[in-house]
Amino acid sequence: GDSVTQMEGPVTLSEEAFLTINCTYTATGYPSLFWYVQYPGEGLQLLLKATKADDKGSNKGFEATYRKETTSFHLEKGSVQVSDSAVYFCALSMNTGFQKLVFGTGTRLLVSP
Amino acid sequence: NAGVTQTPKFQVLKTGQSMTLQCAQDMNHEYMSWYRQDPGMGLRLIHYSVGAGITDQGEVPNGYNVSRSTTEDFPLRLLSAAPSQTSVYFCASSDRGLGPETQYFGPGTRLLVL
Repeated sequence: GDSVTQMEGPVTLSEEAFLTINCTYTATGYPSLFWYVQYPGEGLQLLLKATKADDKGSNKGFEATYRKETTSFHLEKGSVQVSDSAVYFCALSMNTGFQKLVFGTGTRLLVSP
Repeated sequence: NAGVTQTPKFQVLKTGQSMTLQCAQDMNHEYMSWYRQDPGMGLRLIHYSVGAGITDQGEVPNGYNVSRSTTEDFPLRLLSAAPSQTSVYFCASSDRGLGPETQYFGPGTRLLVL
């Protein structure tokens, strides 16, 4: 079945460091790809998405590019802030009918001042 | 516009008790779903609904019932709680349309079954 694999955390960085969180997927067709973020005590919020190969999603300084050849959707940010500390989930959905989200296990990011 | 709301925020149950987790959305979304979040496992789909009167099973439906009598509400029922149902439960809604929709998540219900 469809699945998402993302790097285990926690990822610990100092403020202004470069961030990469790896995400790869397995799918039978051509999924849409998402990054969701969960701040402490809150629900999930959509961070960015990409719907086809080579699309780049971006928001709040975060970026991810849909790479079909490597089945990847790595999340990057050039300079993290303490406020970016959260759990980040990579997810996919197939573009048919009800678009069930298939999530990765989540990666906790801790940013220190 | 409150988005997706869930009640209660936290609940403790004893094994065998029943309860209903409430979920409501005010965005007139057709699609609603329930996920559970467990450590090291991400979120898994329990049940979903594509409109009033229509529900279907997700990945982990056993032990849970749902109904969708209105567009706004999608309650999740635990008929006989078990410790394995200790989890954080999220309700989500999205609008049916063309292409991938953004799912909006509620704040979650933390459930502890003793």
